[in-house]
Amino acid sequence: DTEVTQTPKHLVMGMTNKKSLKCEQHMGHRAMYWYKQKAKKPPELMFVYSYEKLSINESVPSRFSPECPNSSLLNLHLHALQPEDSALYLCASSQWTSVPSEQFFGPGTRLTVL
Amino acid sequence: GENVEQHPSTLSVQEGDSAVIKCTYSDSASNYFPWYKQELGKRPQLIIDIRSNVGEKKDQRIAVTLNKTAKHFSLHITETQPEDSAVYFCDNLQGAQKLVFGQGTRLTINP
Repeated sequence: DTEVTQTPKHLVMGMTNKKSLKCEQHMGHRAMYWYKQKAKKPPELMFVYSYEKLSINESVPSRFSPECPNSSLLNLHLHALQPEDSALYLCASSQWTSVPSEQFFGPGTRLTVL
Repeated sequence: GENVEQHPSTLSVQEGDSAVIKCTYSDSASNYFPWYKQELGKRPQLIIDIRSNVGEKKDQRIAVTLNKTAKHFSLHITETQPEDSAVYFCDNLQGAQKLVFGQGTRLTINP
């Protein structure tokens, strides 16, 4: 399996809801990432996990809570989001944590916050 | 600094012609320079990358050149085809993991 998968593909939630985005890879990659991409903009890094530990948090608001239950899974828990959080959320993984290498992206979850 | 400046923001070329996209970066410690292609509604995918110990790398119709002294690198696509139409991002890796994307170039290939 050489792909990163993400569920759900689309998500619509209210500002008081709690939801989770899921990401999975079975390539044995040791680094996993969450990005946020607004329309016609580049992806922006949110979080990086290395060997299942959070290594980078790009000053993301606490209403976004990442979790890495094991080496293949990455979750993003959402709570009390704002309409401006509506975006495409991309997960990615890379083989190494200390040597620059290709990041493999999932297809993304398109999130709409009402 | 973490800035990556990318030009042009849009580029339209005739099918069969060449396309060139340029990026400049500010962090002199950067040593890895990937280019990602994102087709409409799709995920970003790596198309070519270059490390700072080489000046040029080619893969069929795609090439990347790196000038570390001037802190800029460029993507060259020759013999463009309709399937080359997409948004292209140059990137700068801060350390081993922090990918900083340029603003993107929307490339349109006209038949």
